[in-house]
Amino acid sequence: DAGVTQSPTHLIKTRGQHVTLRCSPISGHKSVSWYQQVLGQGPQFIFQYYEKEERGRGNFPDRFSARQFPNYSSELNVNALLLGDSALYLCASTYLPVSSQSYEQYFGPGTRLTVT
Amino acid sequence: AQSVTQPDIHITVSEGASLELRCNYSYGATPYLFWYVQSPGQGLQLLLKYFSGDTLVQGIKGFEAEFKRSQSSFNLRKPSVHWSDAAEYFCAVGAAGGGNKLTFGTGTQLKVEL
Repeated sequence: DAGVTQSPTHLIKTRGQHVTLRCSPISGHKSVSWYQQVLGQGPQFIFQYYEKEERGRGNFPDRFSARQFPNYSSELNVNALLLGDSALYLCASTYLPVSSQSYEQYFGPGTRLTVT
Repeated sequence: AQSVTQPDIHITVSEGASLELRCNYSYGATPYLFWYVQSPGQGLQLLLKYFSGDTLVQGIKGFEAEFKRSQSSFNLRKPSVHWSDAAEYFCAVGAAGGGNKLTFGTGTQLKVEL
């Protein structure tokens, strides 16, 4: 079975531009979460989506948005890019529903975003 | 709010030596605890997890961790380190009923000397 896939692998953007990152969860997984990992730090939670609805949001500005599609894939959008948005963006998928006691997350390889 | 502290930013051990990586968490109720490993340019791989029950949990690649509620700790151990274990290790805490949100520590970079 394929794991979590993310595209693109690397991306270079200019300040003020917009970016869209994509994630495909493991087959059968209905929940997708997004994390931002700045160099030298641990990942920080951005969003969680389950059954196409937002179920959680971290402390990120409104420039960050996401959505989940009927096939459970997801997009993360960032508007008006800042230098500080340069990071590795990780997507994680989970099989069990949000209310389950066990929500083991499987991470993708990430998208490396560089803002110049 | 939940938080995780990994006090050691870098650790160097010799191949074959034992390893212990420290993790302290802050959370008001019973936490869900995880250890992940990240190799350069890679995503995160789950090593082990604690939800409830036996406080000593076994993971992949010969790793184990012990949950100590009284010390709010979840330290990762391995009896004999291999050169391929060199990577960055993250401890994370999740909240029961809190969905998929994980709070990560800042990580410990492990270097293995041959």
